[in-house]
Amino acid sequence: AQKVTQAQTEISVVEKEDVTLDCVYETRDTTYYLFWYKQPPSGELVFLIRRNSFDEQNEISGRYSWNFQKSTSSFNFTITASQVVDSAVYFCALSEARSGYSTLTFGKGTMLLVSP
Amino acid sequence: DAMVIQNPRYQVTQFGKPVTLSCSQTLNHNVMYWYQQKSSQAPKLLFHYYDKDFNNEADTPDNFQSRRPNTSFCFLDIRSPGLGDAAMYLCATSRDSEGAPYTDTQYFGPGTRLTVL
Repeated sequence: AQKVTQAQTEISVVEKEDVTLDCVYETRDTTYYLFWYKQPPSGELVFLIRRNSFDEQNEISGRYSWNFQKSTSSFNFTITASQVVDSAVYFCALSEARSGYSTLTFGKGTMLLVSP
Repeated sequence: DAMVIQNPRYQVTQFGKPVTLSCSQTLNHNVMYWYQQKSSQAPKLLFHYYDKDFNNEADTPDNFQSRRPNTSFCFLDIRSPGLGDAAMYLCATSRDSEGAPYTDTQYFGPGTRLTVL
């Protein structure tokens, strides 16, 4: 069975601080996909990144960066120079590789509060 | 812009009064999903449509039904809402992986927040 653990329930930082959101996953599949979604107070789940299990390159997109390490089954997300608009719940999710539809196993989410 | 649209954004219903939530998409994706998300929890998959094929999750209550009249639209019907059904309902879409062991990204709509009085 697949499992995603986001051990940090809530993180509070002051604007301009760097913050890392942890994600640890469990799967028996050799091919799988990892995702991060952002859910602001409005409720919409906003897709941030998808990474497949064969691509361990770290990725940077503006102030966002992701560190994928298969050796520790982790897919951590770092926000550099955080801003108030980054305040949201962030979900890490895992999906097996399959034909047809996808099934997402979500972590419980980490609420990030960025204060001015 | 291509997107997933949900109407209404907020819905108030009375205990036991049937309610329908709608989702439409301009992404031309052939898979559509309905999730229920209660406060401070992760989204929980209720069911999905792969084209016209309906797939129910094993623990989805019979009170929840869905219809997909065409590729663009999908409806969630709650036949007799209880207080425990108050939640955010999220619709998502993804493309068919066309037979390959591959997973496409799910794109979510803004959600409908359901209140049951």
